[in-house]
Amino acid sequence: EPEVTQTPSHQVTQMGQEVILRCVPISNHLYFYWYRQILGQKVEFLVSFYNNEISEKSEIFDDQFSVERPDGSNFTLKIRSTKLEDSAMYFCAGGTANTEAFFGQGTRLTVV
Amino acid sequence: AQSVTQPDIHITVSEGASLELRCNYSYGATPYLFWYVQSPGQGLQLLLKYFSGDTLVQGIKGFEAEFKRSQSSFNLRKPSVHWSDAAEYFCAVARYNNNDMRFGAGTRLTVKP
Repeated sequence: EPEVTQTPSHQVTQMGQEVILRCVPISNHLYFYWYRQILGQKVEFLVSFYNNEISEKSEIFDDQFSVERPDGSNFTLKIRSTKLEDSAMYFCAGGTANTEAFFGQGTRLTVV
Repeated sequence: AQSVTQPDIHITVSEGASLELRCNYSYGATPYLFWYVQSPGQGLQLLLKYFSGDTLVQGIKGFEAEFKRSQSSFNLRKPSVHWSDAAEYFCAVARYNNNDMRFGAGTRLTVKP
């Protein structure tokens, strides 16, 4: 059964460094999302992406964040200059119209 | 935008007892509704979903949920809880014809022996 794949499973980075979180969605998906979950808290929407552009973003998704789908398969989330408070689990999801979104297993980002 | 409220932060039930987790949503049109379960350090597992049709939906692990439009609710139920059901449960809502989800704050379920 196809699944959404996220790499790496765990990333440790120093404060101020750039990180790129990667996701390989299921091949027929058209809508793509990033969510984050700070330890012990709710799952928060970051951004949705459709037709090679951002369709919606939350107030969390500030200028430090960017997304792209560089080669038609990978879907990436870049954090330009990480802060301690960026430490969280980041979930990628994808879907088509009229279906639920399928989630990856997440990347745990630890900023030290 | 759509939003979800889960009024109970933490619920404790005895093994074998029945369970109901509450979820209220806010959305002006027909919503898509979901329940996810998350064990510590794990990802999100879909328990069940409502898109349309029968308002009582069956999911995995013996869970069911009922969509009540008049109450804007989508409560999760299980007739007899097992110790392995201890986890965090998240309700989510998406806009009709779109899978852009918003999650509730979650309800942590503890199961007493």
